[in-house]
Amino acid sequence: IQLTQSPSSLSASVGDRVTITCRASQGISSSLAWYQQKPGKAPKLLIYAASTLQSGVPSRFSGSGSGTEFTLTISSLQPEDFATYFCQQLNSYPPWTFGQGTKVEIK
Amino acid sequence: EVQLVESGGGLAQPGGSLRLSCAASGFTFSSYSMNWVRQAPGKGLEWVSYISSSGGNIHYADSVKGRFTISRDNAKNSLYLQMNSLRAEDTAVYFCARVPVISNGFDNWGQGTLVTVSS
Repeated sequence: IQLTQSPSSLSASVGDRVTITCRASQGISSSLAWYQQKPGKAPKLLIYAASTLQSGVPSRFSGSGSGTEFTLTISSLQPEDFATYFCQQLNSYPPWTFGQGTKVEIK
Repeated sequence: EVQLVESGGGLAQPGGSLRLSCAASGFTFSSYSMNWVRQAPGKGLEWVSYISSSGGNIHYADSVKGRFTISRDNAKNSLYLQMNSLRAEDTAVYFCARVPVISNGFDNWGQGTLVTVSS
């Protein structure tokens, strides 16, 4: 299963609403996770089962979708949110595939 | 606090070998499946290998099958990745990652260890 994220990068300002899309090459039900990765750091799990917020993750992050199209939304971008975001499918494995990433940069 | 600490990375020659380790603490290691995930410099994430909590179920990415071997020692709270016949394209940061339930994602990751394959 291939995952395609869009856009590959975006520029946004603090306070902006940001949406990232992840499309699967075939249906994966709701078996999708989102990760945040900052430079030189390990990925951090934000959302699993497409829309369930991992414990400790701020509520400005939300996920939606099922089947082949999913979105990660940051309702009000904060300075600490500038990072790269990856989606991952957990429905059909192995392999557990990741999207290519979306880099969120400061405008 | 859950901690995963990788070690064993470094410089290896093409065709050489390295053994990575991941030391786990802060949770009951023997109850969790584990993975290795790698990230080539400036690139995205690539899943490498999976091992179930007992070690009885193992999977590999096609790119490493036949060259890498995942194992674990639950008595030592440790995960391993034996990497043989290394290639330049294996150059990456290697992360170990915990899986509480497969459908719920990889919930804790180590800081990673860099493997460089070059002559």
